[in-house]
Amino acid sequence: QKEVEQNSGPLSVPEGAIASLNCTYSDRGSQSFFWYRQYSGKSPELIMSIYSNGDKEDGRFTAQLNKASQYVSLLIRDSQPSDSATYLCAVMSRDDKIIFGKGTRLHILP
Amino acid sequence: NAGVTQTPKFQVLKTGQSMTLQCAQDMNHNSMYWYRQDPGMGLRLIYYSASEGTTDKGEVPNGYNVSRLNKREFSLRLESAAPSQTSVYFCASTQVEGVNGYTFGSGTRLTVV
Repeated sequence: QKEVEQNSGPLSVPEGAIASLNCTYSDRGSQSFFWYRQYSGKSPELIMSIYSNGDKEDGRFTAQLNKASQYVSLLIRDSQPSDSATYLCAVMSRDDKIIFGKGTRLHILP
Repeated sequence: NAGVTQTPKFQVLKTGQSMTLQCAQDMNHNSMYWYRQDPGMGLRLIYYSASEGTTDKGEVPNGYNVSRLNKREFSLRLESAAPSQTSVYFCASTQVEGVNGYTFGSGTRLTVV
């Protein structure tokens, strides 16, 4: 059973600090990795994708991938109250199936 | 620039009633998906369509049927609704799975009483 694990939270971070969200996955052959943001009562929205080891930066967001450790993370710099949401990690396994984690609730403290 | 459009947004059904959830995308995407999201369970795949004319079961297909009407439209049917099908349903689409992320519709909140 392929799995994607996330800490459910809530993760509380002061405004202006760095929020660090983590995700581990079980299928070592996984190819593609995605982060979605979901506000309460809304649908998931793609914010980052990463395919190779290392860091990928987009504005205040940085995705980090370490395939050897089967670990993917999302860093949010200069956290804002509008970043308060649930963040879903999604992983494409070697059999081309996308598996979603259950999400981490992030709360930015004003 | 509509993206993925789902109808209806809210629905209350009585046990045993049937209904169809509609989904349409205007991005010329090949693949379309139906998910349900329940508290503590995350997103679970019900059915998907990798391309026009094909459909496949996902993780939780029991009690549902789907139709890929054309490249744009992918509907989900509940033939005999049960309280266990109370959930939020999301339709999603992508051009190439695993390369592009998903675009989700706004969701349908379904309550079965």
